[in-house]
Amino acid sequence: DVKVTQSSRYLVKRTGEKVFLECVQDMDHENMFWYRQDPGLGLRLIYFSYDVKMKEKGDIPEGYSVSREKKERFSLILESASTNQTSMYLCASSLRQAVQPQHFGDGTRLSIL
Amino acid sequence: AQSVAQPEDQVNVAEGNPLTVKCTYSVSGNPYLFWYVQYPNRGLQFLLKYITGDNLVKGSYGFEAEFNKSQTSFHLKKPSALVSDSALYFCAVRDMSPTPLVFGKGTRLSVIA
Repeated sequence: DVKVTQSSRYLVKRTGEKVFLECVQDMDHENMFWYRQDPGLGLRLIYFSYDVKMKEKGDIPEGYSVSREKKERFSLILESASTNQTSMYLCASSLRQAVQPQHFGDGTRLSIL
Repeated sequence: AQSVAQPEDQVNVAEGNPLTVKCTYSVSGNPYLFWYVQYPNRGLQFLLKYITGDNLVKGSYGFEAEFNKSQTSFHLKKPSALVSDSALYFCAVRDMSPTPLVFGKGTRLSVIA
């Protein structure tokens, strides 16, 4: 089975802090994704990556950056956390082909105080 | 641009009755369609997909979905609902290129004993 592991299930940080969310997958997937999930808004794509050291902006990249130094790891960075970034963050990975589903981690519930 | 609509925020059904969760989509060209389920405090779990071929696709936990090209719909169904099916359900679409999935806003299914 595919395993996508997010380093923290719950995280509490303060406004202005730099926050790192880590995601690791164990199935040699080329593609990795970061979404945030908010009630009534569904899933919104923040950033994605098709390969090591590659990144693409999603629909809501403002206030975020990403890093993919190794194929299995995709990090989401909140450069200066703000209260409107309080959310559930979901990481996903997939094989390259369009017919392949995305596989999700269990999420990180992030609270910015 | 690709988009997905899930017209119902909430669906209530009695245990043992059939259930339907609706999804319509918009995509250029042929669609690849996916259904996911999310249980509380968990990530999204892949249920089934439509790529090509038979319009009725079967997936995990007794779920199936019917693809209708003329109505641009991909409704999720189950002949007999269980209380344990209560969860949040997401429909997703992409075209034939390996782009990130576009998700609907989700439908909360409540199965009442």
